[in-house]
Amino acid sequence: DGGITQSPKYLFRKEGQNVTLSCEQNLNHDAMYWYRQDPGQGLRLIYYSQIVNDFQKGDIAEGYSVSREKKESFPLTVTSAQKNPTAFYLCASSHGQLSSYEQYFGPGTRLTVT
Amino acid sequence: RKEVEQDPGPFNVPEGATVAFNCTYSNSASQSFFWYRQDCRKEPKLLMSVYSSGNEDGRFTAQLNRASQYISLLIRDSKLSDSATYLCAVTPNTGGFKTIFGAGTRLFVKA
Repeated sequence: DGGITQSPKYLFRKEGQNVTLSCEQNLNHDAMYWYRQDPGQGLRLIYYSQIVNDFQKGDIAEGYSVSREKKESFPLTVTSAQKNPTAFYLCASSHGQLSSYEQYFGPGTRLTVT
Repeated sequence: RKEVEQDPGPFNVPEGATVAFNCTYSNSASQSFFWYRQDCRKEPKLLMSVYSSGNEDGRFTAQLNRASQYISLLIRDSKLSDSATYLCAVTPNTGGFKTIFGAGTRLFVKA
C-alpha cells in the first residue's frame, strides 16, 4: 500500500538533546512538508521541499533542520535551540505539480521534551 | 488578520441535521482550496478539494465564493461518525507549494 510513514509514534527526550523524526513516503510525490500542531491550534509549516536536495523554510523554522537527500525521505531534526519543542509533528507530501496541491499526511509523531 | 480563518465552534448538532462551515481567506489570488477532516489525536485526512463550480461527494458539498473570499462545507444528514475537526486549507498563488491551514472547526454530532 502506498502511503506516508512516520516514526516513532511517541518520542520522549530530555531538554538540550537533538532529536530526529523520520518521514518516508512511497507515493512518488515530489513535494514534502513538515508541520507542527499544538493543542487546539492549526498546522504551522516548519519546512517544505519541492524537490530532492532543495528545501525552504516555512513560518516557524527556527530551531529545526531538515534534509532531502532522497525523494522518499524528509527527516526533521528538532534541535536544542527550539525553545518549546513539545508538540505533535506531522509530515505530508503532495505531487507538487500545479494541478495538485492535495496533501497526504503521515500518522504523526508526538514529541515530549522534559 | 489571519490568512485563513475558521469559526472554531464547537458545533453541536443532532444526528440527521444539516450543518455548514465557512472558511475565509485573505489572499484574493489563492488558487487551490481544500477541506480536511481530523479526528482527535490523528492526522488530517483530505475530505475534498473545492472547485470553482462547487462539488459534491455524497452527503458533503463544498463551494467556493471568490468574490467574498470564502469556502464552505455543507454536511447533510449528519452521522455520529462525522464528529471531528474540519480544517480548511488554501494554497496562495505565490509560487512554491505552501498551503495555509485554518485552525479548524470542531463538530460534535449527538444521538
